[in-house]
Amino acid sequence: DTEVTQTPKHLVMGMTNKKSLKCEQHMGHRAMYWYKQKAKKPPELMFVYSYEKLSINESVPSRFSPECPNSSLLNLHLHALQPEDSALYLCASRQAGGQYNEQFFGPGTRLTVL
Amino acid sequence: GEDVEQSLFLSVREGDSSVINCTYTDSSSTYLYWYKQEPGAGLQLLTYIFSNMDMKQDQRLTVLLNKKDKHLSLRIADTQTGDSAIYFCAESSTGGYNKLIFGAGTRLAVHP
Repeated sequence: DTEVTQTPKHLVMGMTNKKSLKCEQHMGHRAMYWYKQKAKKPPELMFVYSYEKLSINESVPSRFSPECPNSSLLNLHLHALQPEDSALYLCASRQAGGQYNEQFFGPGTRLTVL
Repeated sequence: GEDVEQSLFLSVREGDSSVINCTYTDSSSTYLYWYKQEPGAGLQLLTYIFSNMDMKQDQRLTVLLNKKDKHLSLRIADTQTGDSAIYFCAESSTGGYNKLIFGAGTRLAVHP
């Protein structure tokens, strides 16, 4: 199984809603990533978890709250988002450690904030 | 700082070769990558090159690296309509965790 799955595929939410994005992998990878990709732009790193601990937070606003409850699962909790947060949210995973290990990307969740 | 630049658009005829270019700034990058993104999809790693290599060939794909000029290119031989996508080059930043810095992406359009 070399797949990263993300749910939901699409999400529409209002600015007062609370929602969560979910990412799952069963490849035994101990590093997991959240990226944000705006239309016609490259992905930008948001968070990195290594061995279930938050290792990198790229100065992301607190309305985005990541969680790594176990080695297979990564969540992104959303609260009080703004319309400019509408984007494709990509999850990725890789083997931790070592200089080269491929990052496997999920298909993304397309988020629209109204 | 880290920065990766690419031309934004390339149009080729089916069967021709495509060459997508990229320049990067972090000379300490150990690996450089090419990713493909089809509409509405995630990113697929196409190939990568270790910084002590000049060239890597993988079936229809050839990667050339000029470390002196910090220039990376991806050549796709016999380009097919299924190759139409956005191609991102990326470098790994120093500091661990394999943090990827992506270029803006080159949209490849293949026409008959």
